[in-house]
Amino acid sequence: KAGVTQTPRYLIKTRGQQVTLSCSPISGHRSVSWYQQTPGQGLQFLFEYFSETQRNKGNFPGRFSGRQFSNSRSEMNVSTLELGDSALYLCASSPATRQGGYTFGSGTRLTVV
Amino acid sequence: TQLLEQSPQFLSIQEGENLTVYCNSSSVFSSLQWYRQEPGEGPVLLVTVVTGGEVKKLKRLTFQFGDARKDSSLHITAAQPGDTGLYLCAVIAGYSTLTFGKGTMLLVSP
Repeated sequence: KAGVTQTPRYLIKTRGQQVTLSCSPISGHRSVSWYQQTPGQGLQFLFEYFSETQRNKGNFPGRFSGRQFSNSRSEMNVSTLELGDSALYLCASSPATRQGGYTFGSGTRLTVV
Repeated sequence: TQLLEQSPQFLSIQEGENLTVYCNSSSVFSSLQWYRQEPGEGPVLLVTVVTGGEVKKLKRLTFQFGDARKDSSLHITAAQPGDTGLYLCAVIAGYSTLTFGKGTMLLVSP
């Protein structure tokens, strides 16, 4: 059974640019969540999508957005990149149930210069 | 204020030693999860504890959920270099979102 696939693995962008990250969940998982991980703040929740609808959103500015497609694949977008957006962006997929286990991808390492 | 406080933040030990890391909160939780994250990878779920006082064992790892369901500990017996990684505790806050502690970075040297 394939795991959660995130692409690309590494990305270098310039301040002011925008970036799109992709996440393919485990087959059959309908929930996809996104997290930002930095050394100072740890893992912080960005948003969660379920059946193409945003179900929850963390405390991040509107520059951070996402969407989910009918095949459960998800993308997140960050516009007008800032140096502080440099982080490991992780996606996790889970079955429909709230208490289902979460499986994380390997992440996308974004560096903003 | 951090919902989950993990201690210590960093632990460096020799192979064969025992260790305990802690995850504390002032809130009560219906369940708590432990993850391990290796460098360059995403967190991997180790265990979910749901009952106050519950003890779960995973080979050399022993997880305990506090009686009041506010805290948890992870004990590793005879640590090995393969145990090196970031240990994270997490709870489901809100409908279905995971809230993590900042983690304990464990380094086990041969």
